[in-house]
Amino acid sequence: SQQGEEDPQALSIQEGENATMNCSYKTSINNLQWYRQNSGRGLVHLILIRSNEREKHSGRLRVTLDTSKKSSSLLITASRAADTASYFCATDLIPNDYKLSFGAGTTVTVRA
Amino acid sequence: EPEVTQTPSHQVTQMGQEVILRCVPISNHLYFYWYRQILGQKVEFLVSFYNNEISEKSEIFDDQFSVERPDGSNFTLKIRSTKLEDSAMYFCASSFGGYYGYTFGSGTRLTVV
Repeated sequence: SQQGEEDPQALSIQEGENATMNCSYKTSINNLQWYRQNSGRGLVHLILIRSNEREKHSGRLRVTLDTSKKSSSLLITASRAADTASYFCATDLIPNDYKLSFGAGTTVTVRA
Repeated sequence: EPEVTQTPSHQVTQMGQEVILRCVPISNHLYFYWYRQILGQKVEFLVSFYNNEISEKSEIFDDQFSVERPDGSNFTLKIRSTKLEDSAMYFCASSFGGYYGYTFGSGTRLTVV
């Protein structure tokens, strides 16, 4: 079954503001990853956070993971127009096979 | 930075025709995958490939689909007799192991008419 459901489905913010989106999942995971997809384009890997990690940073991105609540959040600080995209969380369902289950994504629009 | 390369970027085919989507994974990766994304929907797992055989496949991956790693560098997805509902973006991915993350290609947009 699918897991990794993002919330909200869509987010519209002003340039310079922060954007926060959440991901919930159902079963135990090995790691959780966030991807960005510009309209009609490929998937760009943003961050991988392992189940024994609680927080990770990469540039303007901050990801948290709460395994007790089975949830993760992605924060984009000081957003730019170029951050306009869909953001997906993906969890691995079976550690030995390392396949990913994607959520439906959060569509972020950054207004100039 | 190493990339996963997919060709073609866009393919249009007649219903019932066979198509082969091609991928060149990152050279030292061990696991290879195909995913698809129907327009406006989630990215869905199709198949994983390890040690020259399919390690897992989804219910989508029926007898119409097959994968091959013919020469140690390319990784192909074949759809034998395409249907309208096969129209989607197909992504190839490779990994050294899930613990290290995955690298996705930029996708092939398949349009079946």
